[in-house]
Amino acid sequence: DTEVTQTPKHLVMGMTNKKSLKCEQHMGHRAMYWYKQKAKKPPELMFVYSYEKLSINESVPSRFSPECPNSSLLNLHLHALQPEDSALYLCASSRDRQGGQPQHFGDGTRLSIL
Amino acid sequence: GDSVTQMEGPVTLSEEAFLTINCTYTATGYPSLFWYVQYPGEGLQLLLKATKADDKGSNKGFEATYRKETTSFHLEKGSVQVSDSAVYFCALDTTGNQFYFGTGTSLTVIP
Repeated sequence: DTEVTQTPKHLVMGMTNKKSLKCEQHMGHRAMYWYKQKAKKPPELMFVYSYEKLSINESVPSRFSPECPNSSLLNLHLHALQPEDSALYLCASSRDRQGGQPQHFGDGTRLSIL
Repeated sequence: GDSVTQMEGPVTLSEEAFLTINCTYTATGYPSLFWYVQYPGEGLQLLLKATKADDKGSNKGFEATYRKETTSFHLEKGSVQVSDSAVYFCALDTTGNQFYFGTGTSLTVIP
């Protein structure tokens, strides 16, 4: 069982759809992360939130829009995605952004773009 | 810049064999080092970590020692089980707890 919960587990959407991915943690962590993972590859960092403020955007296309409504929740809003955006999207959290903190991962949302 | 170089896979071992997965790193400053494991259809789980030179992380029979002189953090297990079949990622953290992951090593253990 993971302490970071991601919903939905699977999502299929067309290129014109709008959908959202949700991530929730109740460990009191103040840093949260979105990663994209393609098959047989390591996770690639997309966004970092620290104390509900966006700290890092790794040059992610604007069709991905993150949101951190409170310290426990992280959303990723999706719009007009491309087939190459099909991947596993992982959320993670850590106590804060000080060095040495392990990141705790959810099981991810497997996204398929038709 | 900071990076992690991880042993290429896939690795196939018989049950009860000895496992080593090599990991070396390049970093400015003094990073912390981590091993994560990913089972099929799941996210990454923290396996072990070390935050300073000569620290040894251990968990579930796996061990890794932070070697500053060789910039290495090799993962070892004395006797693997079928249930250890997974992908293993070495990672280091940098300023702001930003992680750099190795390419991953797929391990298959056969009975």
